[in-house]
Amino acid sequence: GQNIDQPTEMTATEGAIVQINCTYQTSGFNGLFWYQQHAGEAPTFLSYNVLDGLEEKGRFSSFLSRSKGYIYLLLKELQMKDSASYLCAPLDSNYQLIWGAGTKLIIKP
Amino acid sequence: GAVVSQHPSWVICKSGTSVKIECRSLDFQATTMFWYRQFPKQSLMLMATSNEGSKATYEQGVEKDKFLINHASLTLSTLTVTSAHPEDSSFYICSARADVELVTDTQYFGPGTRLTVL
Repeated sequence: GQNIDQPTEMTATEGAIVQINCTYQTSGFNGLFWYQQHAGEAPTFLSYNVLDGLEEKGRFSSFLSRSKGYIYLLLKELQMKDSASYLCAPLDSNYQLIWGAGTKLIIKP
Repeated sequence: GAVVSQHPSWVICKSGTSVKIECRSLDFQATTMFWYRQFPKQSLMLMATSNEGSKATYEQGVEKDKFLINHASLTLSTLTVTSAHPEDSSFYICSARADVELVTDTQYFGPGTRLTVL
């Protein structure tokens, strides 16, 4: 079966760094997306990894290990506006996105 | 770039009526669009994949006669919820996949439509 495992909720402090881990099991793999979703809003695209290693984009970076079925999203210099759910979504062999429930990140002052 | 709009943003209707939601890719062509539904504090649930010029592909358990999808052009897909009932109240979100790669197979989401059926 297809499965995504990421923490339900995390809390971090403004200005700090937080790492959100995600493990996945899919039938085939064609890359993995991270999306950010604020409460009551639609998801917005953050990053895409298809090869092993690190992808950096400003304050956000993501690291993929395909052999381990593992990816993390690292958020630096946290801001209050980063409070949101972060969705780890792999693309399976049919190029279909597999959605989990996401990790709700709470930023405290 | 990669902007997707949805209309309306929210709608309240009476039970038994039909509601049409539009999804437009504003600055790119999208042969493929997707329709999702999300209940509070739950993950996105794919309802159907909409392909321009052909019939939509519905996920298991989604009634195609109740959720009518039309993808008449490369920039517009519509979802019609027919004979809506209170249990259809949800957040409906569309996404579009750019024909020309912006990032491979990335789906860009519209802002969503909040439907409340009384």
